[in-house]
Amino acid sequence: KQEVTQIPAALSVPEGENLVLNCSFTDSAIYNLQWFRQDPGKGLTSLLLIQSSQREQTSGRLNASLDKSSGRSTLYIAASQPGDSATYLCAVRHGGATNKLIFGTGTLLAVQP
Amino acid sequence: DVKVTQSSRYLVKRTGEKVFLECVQDMDHENMFWYRQDPGLGLRLIYFSYDVKMKEKGDIPEGYSVSREKKERFSLILESASTNQTSMYLCASSSGAGTGGQGTQYFGPGTRLLVL
Repeated sequence: KQEVTQIPAALSVPEGENLVLNCSFTDSAIYNLQWFRQDPGKGLTSLLLIQSSQREQTSGRLNASLDKSSGRSTLYIAASQPGDSATYLCAVRHGGATNKLIFGTGTLLAVQP
Repeated sequence: DVKVTQSSRYLVKRTGEKVFLECVQDMDHENMFWYRQDPGLGLRLIYFSYDVKMKEKGDIPEGYSVSREKKERFSLILESASTNQTSMYLCASSSGAGTGGQGTQYFGPGTRLLVL
């Protein structure tokens, strides 16, 4: 059974720092991996999607990497800003017919001004 | 712009009531999903649908049913609400034919349901 873990559960950094959020999964037979952002009381916003054949994806100050063989993904945020404060979730989609996502429990990020 | 809307942001219901949560997407997506989100448990899939009138159980379907009569609308039904169904409910949609779907899942703003 696929399990997705995110460490740390919470992180506080000063503004301007570069930071890395970690996601690990137990079954490497994934179709893709997606990183989301969730603001308090709100829905999820997709940040980056990495297909299983890809190693990384970039969008602005965000860079996500994927190492399927080791069951790991990282989300790198450059030059963090207070507006980056949110919960970050990763989710893996299995190979096969279904389109189910398995979510991690998230990392709560606070960027201090 | 992609848009997924949910009928209510907050709902308060009594134990035993029948509850309808509505979700509408305007992107002509084939796939639609219902999740619930609870502290410490993350998001868990309740049901999903990959076509009109088609549905599949997710990981925690007990106590819930769904309806998809039109492509853009996916309803979650709590036949007899219970206190352990107090949660945040999130709807999502994605493109792609069949039971697969290649793309990103887009989420609605969520409905926070309190069952008393």
